[in-house]
Amino acid sequence: DGGITQSPKYLFRKEGQNVTLSCEQNLNHDAMYWYRQDPGQGLRLIYYSQIVNDFQKGDIAEGYSVSREKKESFPLTVTSAQKNPTAFYLCASGTGVGYTFGSGTRLTVV
Amino acid sequence: AQSVTQLDSQVPVFEEAPVELRCNYSSSVSVYLFWYVQYPNQGLQLLLKYLSGSTLVESINGFEAEFNKSQTSFHLRKPSVHISDTAEYFCAVTTLGGSARQLTFGSGTQLTVLP
Repeated sequence: DGGITQSPKYLFRKEGQNVTLSCEQNLNHDAMYWYRQDPGQGLRLIYYSQIVNDFQKGDIAEGYSVSREKKESFPLTVTSAQKNPTAFYLCASGTGVGYTFGSGTRLTVV
Repeated sequence: AQSVTQLDSQVPVFEEAPVELRCNYSSSVSVYLFWYVQYPNQGLQLLLKYLSGSTLVESINGFEAEFNKSQTSFHLRKPSVHISDTAEYFCAVTTLGGSARQLTFGSGTQLTVLP
């Protein structure tokens, strides 16, 4: 079945540590997105990529980085510069008629 | 730029009662509209969408939404809810044309169905 796979489902980060969240899709979509979800705040766009080797900042890109070396993969790195990284992270891919979402990664700072 | 407002952050309703979740959007150009549902600790699933044609769209599990251009609304309704409908619901919009085709999401409405 086609879909998006995010891993890991749960991730714990120590202060000052970088962590990378994985997102893989087999839907043959050009565009991929990363969102952050906090309670009561809906979804906020971190980064998006419309094509391989190209990506743009979203509304809250500070403290995050991405790469898009393959069409299928769009990993997100949460750097030590992100001061409040505890959140639920969602990856999506899609066309102009809707997105398909992964099941999310819950990141907690310990 | 487009924006979406979901007027109610929490909607409690008794089982088998009707429900309406409200969504208003703002855009200077034509739009596509979506409703997504999210169950706890899961990603979002597409519930229904309006792209063109009939302004009333339906999902397979009894939800419907009506696109009202004059009121810039896309409210979600169900005539009789079940316990299993308890979830968070997000309205989203994207504009026609252009290359970005990004979805803009509302802040979500938590629907809680009470026994």
